[in-house]
Amino acid sequence: NAGVTQTPKFQVLKTGQSMTLQCAQDMNHNSMYWYRQDPGMGLRLIYYSASEGTTDKGEVPNGYNVSRLNKREFSLRLESAAPSQTSVYFCASSAAGETQYFGPGTRLLVL
Amino acid sequence: TQLLEQSPQFLSIQEGENLTVYCNSSSVFSSLQWYRQEPGEGPVLLVTVVTGGEVKKLKRLTFQFGDARKDSSLHITAAQPGDTGLYLCAGERSNSGYALNFGKGTSLLVTP
Repeated sequence: NAGVTQTPKFQVLKTGQSMTLQCAQDMNHNSMYWYRQDPGMGLRLIYYSASEGTTDKGEVPNGYNVSRLNKREFSLRLESAAPSQTSVYFCASSAAGETQYFGPGTRLLVL
Repeated sequence: TQLLEQSPQFLSIQEGENLTVYCNSSSVFSSLQWYRQEPGEGPVLLVTVVTGGEVKKLKRLTFQFGDARKDSSLHITAAQPGDTGLYLCAGERSNSGYALNFGKGTSLLVTP
């Protein structure tokens, strides 16, 4: 089983460039999430989608947009990348109120 | 604002020692989860505790949820090098789309 997949695995951007991080799950989960992980900060929620067609802001949404394309896919977009967005980004999915399963992460460096 | 405070932040012990990691909050959580994360990978769920006062055991790991559902602890007995990793606690609050609030994590190193 693939579980939760994320692309790309690594990315280097220049300040001001845009990019989309892709996430897909094959577990038929309703809920999907985007987190960022920074040294000494744990994981912080950026956006989540409780079900197909809905998205909500998390703790640190500024500078990001999301799209729940369908039940399987949940993308995260940086319109104008900033060095402060250098981080490791994790996508997760879950059935309602159940275990969250995490992808392997995307490591993003913004110069 | 960090809703969940984990301590200690770093822990380096020798194989065979016991250790306890704490996760404290002023907020009440409907459930609290413990994850372990290996370098370069995403977090993997170890256990979920739901009921105040609940104790769960997973081999050498013992998890406890506080009576008021505001705090939790993870105790490892006779630690092994394979226990090395980042341990994260995460709380689920009601009416948040089941999103999790994570602590900053405890980085554990067990040396032979």
